[in-house]
Amino acid sequence: QEQLVESGGGVVQPGGSLRLSCAASGFTFSNYAMHWVRQAPGKGLEWVAIVWYDGSNKSYRDSVKGRFAISRDNSKKTLYLEMNNLRADDTAVYYCARDRFQSGSYCDYWGQGTLVSVSS
Amino acid sequence: QSALSQPASVSGSPGQSITISCTGTSNDIGSYKYVAWYQQHPGKAPKLMIYEVNYRPSGVSNRFSGSKSGNTASLTISGLQAEDEADYYCSSYTTSGALGFGGGTKLTVL
Repeated sequence: QEQLVESGGGVVQPGGSLRLSCAASGFTFSNYAMHWVRQAPGKGLEWVAIVWYDGSNKSYRDSVKGRFAISRDNSKKTLYLEMNNLRADDTAVYYCARDRFQSGSYCDYWGQGTLVSVSS
Repeated sequence: QSALSQPASVSGSPGQSITISCTGTSNDIGSYKYVAWYQQHPGKAPKLMIYEVNYRPSGVSNRFSGSKSGNTASLTISGLQAEDEADYYCSSYTTSGALGFGGGTKLTVL
């Protein structure tokens, strides 16, 4: 059964950095694109970034371009999100999600999320 | 970034049917079959309910159905049950290579 487990969240000061990880199991990780999606407290889902199955293509929402970097290690079946220069409006639960295909389409499996809180 | 439009809330009585709309543009819903719907209960991760406009994943009740016309997608839930009370989100792939989500619709079962 497909499983995604996020880790690395926590409290960080504005301007700080954090690295999120997402460990995948139960499926062939290298066959699928992967997403990060976030949800601010009491708000809706907001797509953050995607990386294709082989890492060859990456896309980001405008508000995180230049600050966040998505990457993957297919040998470790792990997805990453490196977050720099964090702002208060980055506070959210961050979900990793599997795409149905090798490039973008929709998310078919989701992790339970990890909370990132940016506060002084 | 692509943001799809959904009503903030809908409600219905047990046994009734409701429909949630999701309006996009020719750059997302209008261009792709990759329209999906997710259900999210409080404190839980989203769950895929409909994919590629009108297909249900294994295990999802056939009371859930989807459709699309032009730039607008719709989710219909028939025979409302108390357990259907949740937030519902639509998503669509976009021409910019991003994923767009709707703002979410809170379904209340009266």
